[in-house]
Amino acid sequence: EPEVTQTPSHQVTQMGQEVILRCVPISNHLYFYWYRQILGQKVEFLVSFYNNEISEKSEIFDDQFSVERPDGSNFTLKIRSTKLEDSAMYFCASKEGIAGTDTQYFGPGTRLTVL
Amino acid sequence: AQSVTQLDSQVPVFEEAPVELRCNYSSSVSVYLFWYVQYPNQGLQLLLKYLSGSTLVKGINGFEAEFNKSQTSFHLRKPSVHISDTAEYFCAVTKINNDMRFGAGTRLTVKP
Repeated sequence: EPEVTQTPSHQVTQMGQEVILRCVPISNHLYFYWYRQILGQKVEFLVSFYNNEISEKSEIFDDQFSVERPDGSNFTLKIRSTKLEDSAMYFCASKEGIAGTDTQYFGPGTRLTVL
Repeated sequence: AQSVTQLDSQVPVFEEAPVELRCNYSSSVSVYLFWYVQYPNQGLQLLLKYLSGSTLVKGINGFEAEFNKSQTSFHLRKPSVHISDTAEYFCAVTKINNDMRFGAGTRLTVKP
């Protein structure tokens, strides 16, 4: 069964450094998402992406964040200058079509630790 | 905007006992409802979803949920839990062409 993959599984970085989290969505999917989950808290929406542009973003997704689909397979989340509070599990998700009935399939997550 | 409330942050139960994890949602429009499970150190796995039609939805691992529009609820149930069901369970809601909003999660702990 096709699945969403994410790399790395764990990223440790120093505060102020840039990080890029990578995701490979399911191949025929057109909509892509990033979510984050701070330890012990709920999963929060960050951004959705379709047709090479951001469709929607939350208030969390400020200028420090950016997303990109640099080629036909990868979908990346970049945090330009990490802060301690960016430490969280980051989940990528993809879905096939526009309908709300389409299931979002989640990757296993990348645990980001900012020191 | 839609939102989800999971009423119980933790639910401890004994093995083979029934369990209900509660979820209430709020939205001014029709929504689609989901339950995801997160096992320790893993991602989110879809348990079941309600899109339309029958209000009783059956999912994987013996779980089912009932959509109740009048009570704006989508509670998850299992008649007999196993140790392996120990995990975090998230209720989520989405509208067409919209992102998914998650509840805070319910930690189900099944004890022998």
